[in-house]
Amino acid sequence: EAQVTQNPRYLITVTGKKLTVTCSQNMNHEYMSWYRQDPGLGLRQIYYSMNVEVTDKGDVPEGYKVSRKEKRNFPLILESPSPNQTSLYFCASSSTGPPNEQFFGPGTRLTVL
Amino acid sequence: QKEVEQDPGPLSVPEGAIVSLNCTYSNSAFQYFMWYRQYSRKGPELLMYTYSSGNKEDGRFTAQVDKSSKYISLFIRDSQPSDSATYLCAMGETSGSRLTFGEGTQLTVNP
Repeated sequence: EAQVTQNPRYLITVTGKKLTVTCSQNMNHEYMSWYRQDPGLGLRQIYYSMNVEVTDKGDVPEGYKVSRKEKRNFPLILESPSPNQTSLYFCASSSTGPPNEQFFGPGTRLTVL
Repeated sequence: QKEVEQDPGPLSVPEGAIVSLNCTYSNSAFQYFMWYRQYSRKGPELLMYTYSSGNKEDGRFTAQVDKSSKYISLFIRDSQPSDSATYLCAMGETSGSRLTFGEGTQLTVNP
């Protein structure tokens, strides 16, 4: 089954404790991206990657890191999480980027205390 | 000012109603326009996309773009309870570039 998977689905952590949210797709897509979704602000892009070793900032990259060492994986790293990074995070992939259909993962709900 | 403005609703309609969902934008460089649907506790999924001004129809859904007014709409005819979801508009400047989403409109269709 073609899908985008994210882990963990739910995470509660404390300020400053480094964490990684994994994202993997099995569709051989070149384009992958991370979004956060917040009430009143909608979906905002954090980072995106056009291909292996090629990443670029989205609208809200501060406090986040990404890497794209393999085509299928695109982890999101929070080196020192803060409460304002409490949000719902989505990973997405598409064959060659928008406007091609982006396939979204199920989401990761992160709470930083 | 946000680049994309979308009325968050919530919008509640009876089954069978015609629904109009709208977004306005300020960036004249936006070239393509998309509508995503997001069910509760799920990721968004693409409904429709279009490059040009005018209408595009797909079943009960019609996407309308007016670039001169920087205004896009999604119309849902004969709305069904299964259409209850949050609808997000999204737009971008060029292929492969970053995508900018609206806030999303929460729609409930009552049986």
